Amino acid sequence: ETGVTQTPRHLVMGMTNKKSLKCEQHLGHNAMYWYKQSAKKPLELMFVYNFKEQTENNSVPSRFSPECPNSSHLFLHLHTLQPEDSALYLCASSWSGTSGTYEQYFGPGTRLTVT
Amino acid sequence: LAKTTQPISMDSYEGQEVNITCSHNNIATNDYITWYQQFPSQGPRFIIQGYKTKVTNEVASLFIPADRKSSTLSLPRVSLSDTAVYYCLVGDVTGGFKTIFGAGTRLFVKA
Repeated sequence: ETGVTQTPRHLVMGMTNKKSLKCEQHLGHNAMYWYKQSAKKPLELMFVYNFKEQTENNSVPSRFSPECPNSSHLFLHLHTLQPEDSALYLCASSWSGTSGTYEQYFGPGTRLTVT
Repeated sequence: LAKTTQPISMDSYEGQEVNITCSHNNIATNDYITWYQQFPSQGPRFIIQGYKTKVTNEVASLFIPADRKSSTLSLPRVSLSDTAVYYCLVGDVTGGFKTIFGAGTRLFVKA
């Protein structure tokens, strides 16, 4: 519906597993974002890519590794996560304009549970 | 990025007009005001954006006084499906892509 898709929608992983989250946008945008939303907490910006270049890394632990091969795809590689990393992970995309703000279009999110 | 303050929660009844006010005393000259809506377990959805005076679209109206230190999101005739969290954000592209979502206002619409 929003033009931003995320897979998988739900993921359960152990602390020693390695998994990846995928985001794809079909809107022709050139900026993509990863957010984390823990239970009853505000969204936390994790990473931003503009034209495939990382422009924001909000002090995210190295067990989260983003990858942006092109402006339409964004990945979040996960390894040796902790239970407190369980959250809803949201991907968003936007234009890179020259005025106003970046109106972001969000995907449905991946509900991650770390056991 | 300017800090924003919103009420934590609001209750309303179906058919009523709901006004949610956001304070942003430190808004900068270039900053725009943007509102998003988020339903449980979904990503936020852009509602409306404005710079000054009044902006209206098919979903809501945004009122911004001359000093721009606050703004009011107005939802006409709410329905049960408008129950959601509403976020007010302030910023502009010169600040880069950094985006800060606050706690938002949890609106609960009752029958």
